Amino acid sequence: DIQMTQSPSSLSASVGDRVTITCRASQSIVKFLNWYQRKPGKAPNLLIYTASRLQSGVPSRFSGSGSGTDFTLTISSLQPGDFATYYCQQTYSTPWTFGQGTKVEIK
Amino acid sequence: QVQLQESGPGLVKTSETLSLTCSVSGDSMNNYYWNWIRQPPGKGLEWIGYIYYSGTTNYNPSLKSRVTISVDTSKNQFSLKLSSVTAADTAVYYCARLAGTLGHPEGFDPWGQGTLVTVSS
Repeated sequence: DIQMTQSPSSLSASVGDRVTITCRASQSIVKFLNWYQRKPGKAPNLLIYTASRLQSGVPSRFSGSGSGTDFTLTISSLQPGDFATYYCQQTYSTPWTFGQGTKVEIK
Repeated sequence: QVQLQESGPGLVKTSETLSLTCSVSGDSMNNYYWNWIRQPPGKGLEWIGYIYYSGTTNYNPSLKSRVTISVDTSKNQFSLKLSSVTAADTAVYYCARLAGTLGHPEGFDPWGQGTLVTVSS
C-alpha cells in the first residue's frame, strides 16, 4: 500500500493567514493526489483533484501543487469557515489511501 | 445535483454481518465507480472498496475476505456487507462517487453524510 504522510498534524492560525499543508507519498503517485476538507459532523468535501485542479465551487484561495511524492495544499488567506480538518488522498493505485489529516484551528 | 444517503442499522453484534445501503439520487449510476469508505473513532479514513455500475468490484486487501459490495441500478442503490465484525469495525461509514475515470481519477465527489455503526456484543 502507498503510505500518505501529512504534516503538520495540526496547526493554529489566524484569519487572514497563509496556511500550507504538505503531503508526502511513500512512492511516486505522479499527480493523482486529492485534497478534502472536513468539518465536524459532516462528510469530506473535495477541494483539489489531480494535485492542482480546483473542484467546481471551491474558493480560489485554495490551491494545490506538487507531483511525484511531494504535494502541498495552500490556503492563501484563511477565512473563518476554513477551520476544519484537511486530508490528502492518493488515487494512483488501489488500495486508495488517505493521509492522517491536518487539523486547522483558530489561534 | 447528485446526492448520496447511507442507511442501515446503527448497532451490529460482534461476529455478525454489517449491512449498509447507499441510495443515489439526482443522477444515473451508469458509468461511475461507487465507493465505501470508513473512519473509526479517532482514526484515519480507510477506503473499503468500489463497485462499477456494471458490477465490477475492487476491495481493499485488508478487508477483502470479509467484504461484499453489490449494486442495484434499477433502484439506484449500492450496498456494503462486512462479515464477522468486531469492535474494530466500529466506524462512521461513508459512500461516495469517484469523479473521473479509473485511468484518470479525480477524487471522491460527492459523499454521503455518513452513518455511525457501532459493533458491540
